[in-house]
This record gives sequence, structure tokens and C-alpha cells, in this order.
Amino acid sequence: KAGVTQTPRYLIKTRGQQVTLSCSPISGHRSVSWYQQTPGQGLQFLFEYFSETQRNKGNFPGRFSGRQFSNSRSEMNVSTLELGDSALYLCASSLRGATYEQYFGPGTRLTVT
Amino acid sequence: DQQVKQNSPSLSVQEGRISILNCDYTNSMFDYFLWYKKYPAEGPTFLISISSIKDKNEDGRFTVFLNKSAKHLSLHIVPSQPGDSAVYFCAASDGTGANSKLTFGKGITLSVRP
Repeated sequence: KAGVTQTPRYLIKTRGQQVTLSCSPISGHRSVSWYQQTPGQGLQFLFEYFSETQRNKGNFPGRFSGRQFSNSRSEMNVSTLELGDSALYLCASSLRGATYEQYFGPGTRLTVT
Repeated sequence: DQQVKQNSPSLSVQEGRISILNCDYTNSMFDYFLWYKKYPAEGPTFLISISSIKDKNEDGRFTVFLNKSAKHLSLHIVPSQPGDSAVYFCAASDGTGANSKLTFGKGITLSVRP
């Protein structure tokens, strides 16, 4: 069974631009969660989608948004990029939901200059 | 307010010895705990979990201990191997409802010396 895939793997953007990241979960998994990882901060929860509905959202500004499609693929969008948005963005899929075992993708490394 | 704390940023042990990674939490609503391992340039991989109704769970070389009264859990790796060198994240779940999520610690970097 194929794992979680994320595209692109690396991205460089300029302040003020917007970016869209994509995640394809493991086949059959309906839950997709997004996390931001920055040095020294661990994994910060962004949001979870389950069957195309956002189930939970972390403490991030409204510039961070996401969606999930009927095939469970998910996208995350960040508008008006700031330097502090530079991070590794991880997507995770789960059969039962974000509070159970999750399977992570390799992440997208976003650099904002 | 950090609800899951991994106070030691790094740990170095000799191959063959025991590695003990600690994690403390403050939220008494946490009822399910997980450990993830992360290698550079890869996403975290699930290692082992424990429910709050248990105090120990074992899987091969990995054992997780939970002390609810102290709000403390630990991951024991015996014997440690060089391939175990990675960042280890402790995570806690606050239920299974619609607003539940995993809260992660900042991670501990384990180095196993050959």
C-alpha cells in the first residue's frame, strides 16, 4: 500500500505571496491532518479534515486554510506569506482520526524570503 | 502553555544499553499517548502507544510506561541500536470527539554510539 505523499517537497516563496501544498493520504484513510514543524517547536497542529469536513483547527491565523476532496486528497493554503511561515509542513493520514495512530508524509519544506 | 513537555532536548547512550526518554504532561484530560520517531528528511513514524487505562505497553525492544498520578510517561528502548538514533516525539490525545487532536512535545534527539 502506498504511503502518504506530499507535493512539492521543497518550495521557496517571497513574503506576501500565497502557497498551496498538496497531500495524498493512504488509500482508505479519510482523516487528513496538517502540522507545522519549526526548529525547537515540535509539531504544531494546524487542522484535521475528515470526509471533506474540517473537524478541528489549531491556533493559527486565518491565513492558513485547507480543504479535502471527495477522494480524501487534501490541500493546505497559506496566504500573504510571512517570514515566520518558513517551516516543514507535514501531512498525516489516519483510518480512525487524528487522535489515533497517524501516518505521516515526508513533508514540504517551505522557505519564505 | 506547553501541555506536553520533553524537557531533555537530547540523549546519548552506548549501543546495547537502555535508552529512557521521558515525557511529562499537564492536561488531565489526555487519555491516549503515542511515541513517534523521526529521521531527517522523513516524516514521523508511529512507534508505540498506550491508553490511560494501562500503565505499561511493550512491543519488542520498545516499552512505554505511564504514571498517571505523576502525569509522566517514558519510552524505554532495550537494547539500543545505532539505527535508533533519531528524534523522538511524545504525543497525547484529548479524546476522540470531533474537537480532539494530538498535542506533541518538542522532541528528544537520541544518539546511540556504536
